[in-house]
Amino acid sequence: RKEVEQDPGPFNVPEGATVAFNCTYSNSASQSFFWYRQDCRKEPKLLMSVYSSGNEDGRFTAQLNRASQYISLLIRDSKLSDSATYLCVVKPVVSSNAGGTSYGKLTFGQGTILTVHP
Amino acid sequence: DTGVSQDPRHKITKRGQNVTFRCDPISEHNRLYWYRQTLGQGPEFLTYFQNEAQLEKSRLLSDRFSAERPKGSFSTLEIQRTEQGDSAMYLCASSLYNKYYVGKTQYFGPGTRLLVL
Repeated sequence: RKEVEQDPGPFNVPEGATVAFNCTYSNSASQSFFWYRQDCRKEPKLLMSVYSSGNEDGRFTAQLNRASQYISLLIRDSKLSDSATYLCVVKPVVSSNAGGTSYGKLTFGQGTILTVHP
Repeated sequence: DTGVSQDPRHKITKRGQNVTFRCDPISEHNRLYWYRQTLGQGPEFLTYFQNEAQLEKSRLLSDRFSAERPKGSFSTLEIQRTEQGDSAMYLCASSLYNKYYVGKTQYFGPGTRLLVL
């Protein structure tokens, strides 16, 4: 089983649509969660972090369910410019201000392809 | 440009040749990471450094792969005796870490696209 699993899509939606992506992770020690966006032939860029209480950034809403080890991303009012691959990312971090152990690597899902059409 | 830079951006080589890639992180970042991404997959972790120390290596990093960060600034990734399966995008990322600030965000460079013929 992959550590991070996503529905690869592709998702093809019209402008203005609401689209949701789901992701599950297997490592319960994962402590930090993110969504990255990757445009075709470009590097991944951080879209948003995901917090336990859920968080919103404009048209984007991220949710985390630690009990189910499940992460989601909701995009409202889709724009043409939202077309990209969305990568679900987890990071097993054990760190504290007292100097506990910290692991640096990010573990990526395979990505979900989104195409927004006129 | 103060972002992460990588050189070269593209590399075509013949099977069996050695290749070396360079990454220059964001100047104040003390952590540097290497990832590999193949078509249709997300990036896979290879290794990372904190300053000049290599702290973790993935099992993906066979003995043909070696990475260095001798002065804690730029890093090189070398692949010896390249194989066709090494064809991929090699991504470098950097972040800032200290015990008071986890520095969660990793900033990626544009990548080096390797094609092994």
